Amino acid sequence: SAVISQKPSRDICQRGTSLTIQCQVDSQVTMMFWYRQQPGQSLTLIATANQGSEATYESGFVIDKFPISRPNLTFSTLTVSNMSPEDSSIYLCSVQGGAGDLDGYTFGSGTRLTVV
Amino acid sequence: KQEVTQIPAALSVPEGENLVLNCSFTDSAIYNLQWFRQDPGKGLTSLLLIQSSQREQTSGRLNASLDKSSGRSTLYIAASQPGDSATYLCAVRGGSNFGNEKLTFGTGTRLTIIP
Repeated sequence: SAVISQKPSRDICQRGTSLTIQCQVDSQVTMMFWYRQQPGQSLTLIATANQGSEATYESGFVIDKFPISRPNLTFSTLTVSNMSPEDSSIYLCSVQGGAGDLDGYTFGSGTRLTVV
Repeated sequence: KQEVTQIPAALSVPEGENLVLNCSFTDSAIYNLQWFRQDPGKGLTSLLLIQSSQREQTSGRLNASLDKSSGRSTLYIAASQPGDSATYLCAVRGGSNFGNEKLTFGTGTRLTIIP
């Protein structure tokens, strides 16, 4: 099954700064997904990242705030820009495949972000 | 727009009891449904995946059922243990293999097993 290495696992950041989160997958995957989980809430999809093209953002999320890179089929980064306390969340990356079935999804261990 | 709801939001049961977690979805045209567990502040661990053509899947003490026509899935946990304490999330994927790979997550059930 796919194994995702996500880092950092947590960070505390000052408002107005930016944080880049990295996800490395141990196999080549077409699409990678970035989610946000606000405190006490479920997961919300931020964007889908395909290698070689711009990411596709969900309603309410914009590239200027959450720029994404996908330089190859095993790696992606999500940057949270110009952070405010409202950005305090767990951020997770995900890929399709590896849950005992090619159609299941596997998730990284998450990045717990606190903005002060 | 697909909406996924999980009831109850929180559940506490004594160790050793069997329990059922519920997941309902508004659009029955799904491709598959996946159950995850999430420990506090952590990522998601996949538990079971049910394809739209399947009725149930089993893994150890876990059994997940799917009734697509009524928009419901249940996760049955037998002989609960304190280590089962976590938040359980269900997620549905849209109705075709290509072009609809997004997951829609439920609101989660926070389970506490009392020793």
